[in-house]
Order: sequence, then C-alpha cells, then structure tokens
Amino acid sequence: DGGITQSPKYLFRKEGQNVTLSCEQNLNHDAMYWYRQDPGQGLRLIYYSQIVNDFQKGDIAEGYSVSREKKESFPLTVTSAQKNPTAFYLCASSWGSQETQYFGPGTRLLVL
Amino acid sequence: KNEVEQSPQNLTAQEGEFITINCSYSVGISALHWLQQHPGGGIVSLFMLSSGKKKHGRLIATINIQEKHSSLHITASHPRDSAVYICAVHLSGGSNYKLTFGKGTLLTVNP
Repeated sequence: DGGITQSPKYLFRKEGQNVTLSCEQNLNHDAMYWYRQDPGQGLRLIYYSQIVNDFQKGDIAEGYSVSREKKESFPLTVTSAQKNPTAFYLCASSWGSQETQYFGPGTRLLVL
Repeated sequence: KNEVEQSPQNLTAQEGEFITINCSYSVGISALHWLQQHPGGGIVSLFMLSSGKKKHGRLIATINIQEKHSSLHITASHPRDSAVYICAVHLSGGSNYKLTFGKGTLLTVNP
C-alpha cells in the first residue's frame, strides 16, 4: 500500500532534550513538508523539501531542524531551543509544487 | 487579520441537511485546497481548484477568483461527514510549495 507514515504516534520530551519525529513515504513524491498544529490555529509550515538534499525554512522554523538524505524520508528534530514544543505535528508529501498534498497520521508531542 | 478566513467556525446540522462552508481570502492566490481532518487527526485532501467548480460524490467545491471566495457544499449530510474542514491557499508570488491555512470549520452532523 502506498502512503505516508509517521512515528511515534505519541512522543514525550523532557526539558532540554532533543527529539526526532519520523516521516516516511513510499509514494515516490519529490516534495515533503512538516506542519505544526495548535488548538484554535491553522496549520503552520515548519520546513519543506522540494527534492533530496535540499530543504527550506517555513514560517516557524526556529527550534527545529530537518534532513532529507533519502527521497522517502524527512525526519524532523525538535531541539531544546524550541521552548513551546507541545503540539500535533503533521508530515505531508506531494509530487511537486501546487499539487495535492498527502498527509501522514501525525505525531502528538508532549512535554514532561 | 488572517489571510484566509473561514466561516462558520462551528456548524451543527441534522442528517440529510445541505451544508455550506465558506472560505474568503484577502490576497491573490494561484490555487485553493479543501481538506478534511478527522477526529483522530488525520487529514485528507478533498479538492484543489483554481477556477470554477469541482464535484466528488456528495461534495461540491466552488471558487470565485474575482470575489476571493470559495465554498464547500455537502449534500445529504451524514454523521460520518462530521470533521474539521480546512481551506488552504497557494499565495500568488510566493513559493508554489507553501500553503496558507484557515483555522478550520468544525462540522457536527447529528443523526
């Protein structure tokens, strides 16, 4: 089955800890995205990648880092510099620009 | 002020009713998306349109570029349509990869 997967479903972070959220797709899509969703707010773009080994900052990149070493994988690291990391994180992918985006099931990050 | 505004924020309907959700935007766009977010959090893309009208099953999406307005209609609504419906746009002149999202409309359809 083609699709996009995220793991884990729930993630707990301690103060000062870096955590990494996984995103994998087998749709052969070139573009991948990370979004953050907070209650009462629209989705906000953290980072996106148009192609392997390339990525751009979105609207709220501070405190986050990404890598795109393989076409199918786009992991997001929430660093200790992100002071308010509690949120629902969604990964998406698309064939290219201005195309339908396919979303993963999301990871809920909570701070202990 | 958000660049993408949706109305209403919350909508409750009885099964079988015709439903309309509105999306207005204040800037030029190249395309508009309608998305559905289920209670568990998963998001599904329903439509992408840049002009006119699209239909898929009981769902119809329309857009009026001159009036900067789009509507999502659901005919013969059903409790399984209960979800958050999200409007998102590609801004003209910006990155064609970036979407700007509305805050969503929570739809509850009662049996």
